[in-house]
Amino acid sequence: GENVEQHPSTLSVQEGDSAVIKCTYSDSASNYFPWYKQELGKRPQLIIDIRSNVGEKKDQRIAVTLNKTAKHFSLHITETQPEDSAVYFCAARGNAGKSTFGDGTTLTVKP
Amino acid sequence: SAVISQKPSRDICQRGTSLTIQCQVDSQVTMMFWYRQQPGQSLTLIATANQGSEATYESGFVIDKFPISRPNLTFSTLTVSNMSPEDSSIYLCSVSDRSGGAFFGQGTRLTVV
Repeated sequence: GENVEQHPSTLSVQEGDSAVIKCTYSDSASNYFPWYKQELGKRPQLIIDIRSNVGEKKDQRIAVTLNKTAKHFSLHITETQPEDSAVYFCAARGNAGKSTFGDGTTLTVKP
Repeated sequence: SAVISQKPSRDICQRGTSLTIQCQVDSQVTMMFWYRQQPGQSLTLIATANQGSEATYESGFVIDKFPISRPNLTFSTLTVSNMSPEDSSIYLCSVSDRSGGAFFGQGTRLTVV
């Protein structure tokens, strides 16, 4: 089955700096790569996604890149704000529809 | 995105008993899933709830322990049977379609004493 590794497990940045979280996956059949933000005590929320036929996608301060050959994808957050502090999960999904999640990254943005 | 209602939001249960969690979606969805999230950890897929047929369980999860129903395209239940303290966790239902990401219910925080 699919295996997703996520790094780093914790990340602390100053407000205004950029944050990068990286994930690798093992199954070349995976074709959809979403990212979720989970605030304490709340459900995971989809924040951005990318499909296997696209190399990069941006939405305001967040972007995701995908390297299919190397089987890795990354989340980039620019101009971080304290409200970006949360746990971020990457995931990989194939045609069966079920997602395999990374272990999560706890992002802390210091004001 | 689909609106997902999950209940109960939390419960404290005695060991040896069972709890049934309900998940209601405001629109018909093809795929429904049940996840477990232990404190400070990632989401682990328990099973895929199939409409009209038996659920598909992931390695380490069995139907006798986690029976699942999915009578139609908008509703599913997960039962945690014969509970022990190790079953204390957050249980989340999730829906997705073939073109989009997963959306989650608000979760059920289960404590087994």
